[in-house]
Amino acid sequence: AQKITQTQPGMFVQEKEAVTLDCTYDTSDPSYGLFWYKQPSSGEMIFLIYQGSYDQQNATEGRYSLNFQKARKSANLVISASQLGDSAMYFCAMREGWNSGNTPLVFGKGTRLSVIA
Amino acid sequence: DAGVTQSPTHLIKTRGQQVTLRCSPKSGHDTVSWYQQALGQGPQFIFQYYEEEERQRGNFPDRFSGHQFPNYSSELNVNALLLGDSALYLCASSLVYGQGADEQFFGPGTRLTVL
Repeated sequence: AQKITQTQPGMFVQEKEAVTLDCTYDTSDPSYGLFWYKQPSSGEMIFLIYQGSYDQQNATEGRYSLNFQKARKSANLVISASQLGDSAMYFCAMREGWNSGNTPLVFGKGTRLSVIA
Repeated sequence: DAGVTQSPTHLIKTRGQQVTLRCSPKSGHDTVSWYQQALGQGPQFIFQYYEEEERQRGNFPDRFSGHQFPNYSSELNVNALLLGDSALYLCASSLVYGQGADEQFFGPGTRLTVL
């Protein structure tokens, strides 16, 4: 069964507008972490934001925020004030367990975001 | 402080050949993980090395093997290349006792094309 589902293959957003990228996950482990990565055409995976399963508040990092709905098992990424440089692939990923420095990440299939001027 | 580095950047091989990809982890990191990212897909976990041993492995055949050196750098070897091995190979480094938000830092990847 797929552990990370990203249902939007592609999204378009007007520059300076906000956009939400969807991510749902599946795990029976009460301790887990959710990550969002940005992958520009160069290929490198750039870490954006992290949400732990026990975190009470939604994570925020600059223009990025994570809308974490634990009961629904969703962890949507919100990008505010989109910029042309935000055009890239975006991946949601999960790591199960807390002492999990050696636990591999499980990725979704990604969403390609295109920002239009 | 150098991040994760990988070499080569690009590689073209023919079916049946063997290939070796290299990765140097971020300074201070002791664990190296390798991922394969086929075109249009998310990365898939191949295996992970810590203390020069393979600690975890994803659903990949034995044609995929690796090594970790005392300086924590790592190699990924693929034997008997198939067309389906064409992909971006990503290396990620981390701390084995990392917790919570401790992230895996990714390198720029090696793009392998098998003809």
